[in-house]
Amino acid sequence: DSGVTQTPKHLITATGQRVTLRCSPRSGDLSVYWYQQSLDQGLQFLIQYYNGEERAKGNILERFSAQQFPDLHSELNLSSLELGDSALYFCASSATGPRYGYTFGSGTRLTVV
Amino acid sequence: AQTVTQSQPEMSVQEAETVTLSCTYDTSESDYYLFWYKQPPSRQMILVIRQEAYKQQNATENRFSVNFQKAAKSFSLKISDSQLGDAAMYFCAYSGGTYKYIFGTGTRLKVLA
Repeated sequence: DSGVTQTPKHLITATGQRVTLRCSPRSGDLSVYWYQQSLDQGLQFLIQYYNGEERAKGNILERFSAQQFPDLHSELNLSSLELGDSALYFCASSATGPRYGYTFGSGTRLTVV
Repeated sequence: AQTVTQSQPEMSVQEAETVTLSCTYDTSESDYYLFWYKQPPSRQMILVIRQEAYKQQNATENRFSVNFQKAAKSFSLKISDSQLGDAAMYFCAYSGGTYKYIFGTGTRLKVLA
């Protein structure tokens, strides 16, 4: 157990639907990062939150949004889902930024049918 | 913009032998960090080793070591005494002034018994 909890582990949904992925960071970590990994691809940075505020944005689609709550857990909302959104979505957390290494969750496998 | 390139999509190594995975990067920043992550079939991302750019000494973690050539912008990972459990995707990652990692596309390592 890495200390970063992602739920659910697997999600199957239909095109056009909306889903919410949840992440609880490791205790004490203020930063949460979301990444998307499509099949046999590298990881694409989506967005980062630090202590409740958006810190950096990557290649995140307008159909996707995220937030970090006062208890530091984060949610990634994906709407109007398309087949191409099928991927593994990772959450990672860190205490002082990525320079000291992320702790990754085990990911949420999203399948859009 | 920073880029990370892993030019070997797949590598194979005999058990107990040594293998080197290549990574090159491009940046204009002077202060940055480099990482190798391992992603086994479980899909969990595991930090293998970390290198600070300002340190000339190559990082070492047990059987894993890096060859960091700052001028050449090269950051290779050497795995000694390869074990079956080393079979995984290996990702090289860069972290500089922005609050995110930039990942390479990965190298799939097969370990032959």
